Amino acid sequence: DAGVTQSPTHLIKTRGQQVTLRCSPISGHKSVSWYQQVLGQGPQFIFQYYEKEERGRGNFPDRFSARQFPNYSSELNVNALLLGDSALYLCASSWGMNTEAFFGQGTRLTVV
Amino acid sequence: AQSVSQHNHHVILSEAASLELGCNYSYGGTVNLFWYVQYPGQHLQLLLKYFSGDPLVKGIKGFEAEFIKSKFSFNLRKPSVQWSDTAEYFCAVNTEYGNKLVFGAGTILRVKS
Repeated sequence: DAGVTQSPTHLIKTRGQQVTLRCSPISGHKSVSWYQQVLGQGPQFIFQYYEKEERGRGNFPDRFSARQFPNYSSELNVNALLLGDSALYLCASSWGMNTEAFFGQGTRLTVV
Repeated sequence: AQSVSQHNHHVILSEAASLELGCNYSYGGTVNLFWYVQYPGQHLQLLLKYFSGDPLVKGIKGFEAEFIKSKFSFNLRKPSVQWSDTAEYFCAVNTEYGNKLVFGAGTILRVKS
């Protein structure tokens, strides 16, 4: 069984640009969550989607948005990139709203 | 807002030493508790979880954790560590309202062979 897959694995963008990160959950999982992990800290919650609806939002600016598709895959969009957006972005999938989460390898975003 | 505190950021142990990593959370309601591990170059993996029932939880690779509700703690233990346990360990909590995981800052464990 394939785990959570994220693409791309690495990305370099310039300040002010926009970026889209993608995530495919484990087959059968209906919930996808996004986290940001900066060096030296634990992951911070950005969004949760369940059955294609947003079910939770963390303390991130409106430049961050996401959506979930009918096949349960998800995209995270970040507009007007800042240097401080440089981080590892993690996607986690789970079967339900409040069940254990399985993480992907992450996308390493560097903003220059 | 919920928060999770991990007591040590770096721990260095010799092989066969016993391990205990502290984790405390702040939330007065029902919680689910997790320990995740991240081996060098790998993704976050679930080590063990507590949802309800026996507060002593056994996970993979000989790890266990004890939920003490009165102390808001969920400490991770292993009687005898191995070099392959070198990794970063994260404690995480979510509440009954959804799957928002709140993570601690992590503890980097280095086991000397």
